[in-house]
Amino acid sequence: SAVISQKPSRDICQRGTSLTIQCQVDSQVTMMFWYRQQPGQSLTLIATANQGSEATYESGFVIDKFPISRPNLTFSTLTVSNMSPEDSSIYLCSVVPYLSGGDTDTQYFGPGTRLTVL
Amino acid sequence: AQSVSQHNHHVILSEAASLELGCNYSYGGTVNLFWYVQYPGQHLQLLLKYFSGDPLVKGIKGFEAEFIKSKFSFNLRKPSVQWSDTAEYFCAVNAGYSGAGSYQLTFGKGTKLSVIP
Repeated sequence: SAVISQKPSRDICQRGTSLTIQCQVDSQVTMMFWYRQQPGQSLTLIATANQGSEATYESGFVIDKFPISRPNLTFSTLTVSNMSPEDSSIYLCSVVPYLSGGDTDTQYFGPGTRLTVL
Repeated sequence: AQSVSQHNHHVILSEAASLELGCNYSYGGTVNLFWYVQYPGQHLQLLLKYFSGDPLVKGIKGFEAEFIKSKFSFNLRKPSVQWSDTAEYFCAVNAGYSGAGSYQLTFGKGTKLSVIP
């Protein structure tokens, strides 16, 4: 499986500011995703990061709030804009690696970014 | 829309006890099924997965899961748990590329397992 890193691992931010989270993979991947895990909740998909085009957002998530970039096959960023305390969550990226011979459906997760908004 | 139900929020077992964690999903088509585990302080890791074929799948660390299509279930089992199995376990489902063409992974709320030495 791919080795996935995220920066920062955690941050404490003030209300109204923005934070950009980076996701770096050690090999090329087909798909990259961003999830949110709110306290005591399960993971919720925010969007699919598409290489070279706009991300595909799930219901309830919008580009103005969560702009995403994916400039190449190994890197993506998620920005949490104009933050409020309700944005306090763990944000995770996941990837589907290039694998010859099949398995285009298994996602592997990064370590997550723990965000606290005051 | 897909949904996943995990029946137990928190399970407490003594070492050597047997484990079964329930997972039911709602989706009428072909699905891919996953169990992920998150050990304390670590990131989410794949435990096992089912795409097709033998409905009994074996994963890492002695875990297995059985897909019962008629019951829309994918329960996780382990015959004898260890203290090191203390973690949170998430069941997840997607429609699979060969199905609806969607990679969206829908997760259950998770089950915390505490194993007492």
